[in-house]
Amino acid sequence: GAVVSQHPSRVICKSGTSVKIECRSLDFQATTMFWYRQFPKQSLMLMATSNEGSKATYEQGVEKDKFLINHASLTLSTLTVTSAHPEDSSFYICSARKGVITEAFFGQGTRLTVV
Amino acid sequence: GEDVEQSLFLSVREGDSSVINCTYTDSSSTYLYWYKQEPGAGLQLLTYIFSNMDMKQDQRLTVLLNKKDKHLSLRIADTQTGDSAIYFCAETSGSARQLTFGSGTQLTVLP
Repeated sequence: GAVVSQHPSRVICKSGTSVKIECRSLDFQATTMFWYRQFPKQSLMLMATSNEGSKATYEQGVEKDKFLINHASLTLSTLTVTSAHPEDSSFYICSARKGVITEAFFGQGTRLTVV
Repeated sequence: GEDVEQSLFLSVREGDSSVINCTYTDSSSTYLYWYKQEPGAGLQLLTYIFSNMDMKQDQRLTVLLNKKDKHLSLRIADTQTGDSAIYFCAETSGSARQLTFGSGTQLTVLP
């Protein structure tokens, strides 16, 4: 299967700072990447969908100025949590899709803790 | 909007079969998936089924799809302790074909 690498796996940051999370497709070009947030013992909540070279499409209720998504190349998407607060602490997972009708492959997730 | 539902917990004894069930509401779903998540990790794709199929088998995994009832199940034969994890069903929907996930089923395999 295809490999999606997410970095870092864990990060602790101070309240008010910004954190960048990277998602890379290692052995394929991802036409579309997705960013999810997962609260403890809950399902994945889609935050946004990004296509290379265009602006991300955010789900309702997700602040686009707080969660900046950049999909600059077919193998890299980044999520920046700006001015992080403790309530932003969560598990963030990215996924990448090769084409329109193919399965999505997931990164290993990033545990963000804001103190 | 689309909705995907699963029971939250399932316990089985090692060596028995596990059956995890899922229901969905979107009649236009084209692909349905089963993912496995171990603690602190991302999601691992186990298998998927196209909506025009009734069944798909892959080693210990059997997926059954009842499109009329919008019911999907995952059967794990000879369940092992390493199968303990959360299992998510998901379906594709929307123009970007994003995944909609169920709540996840925590499978616990007892020795």
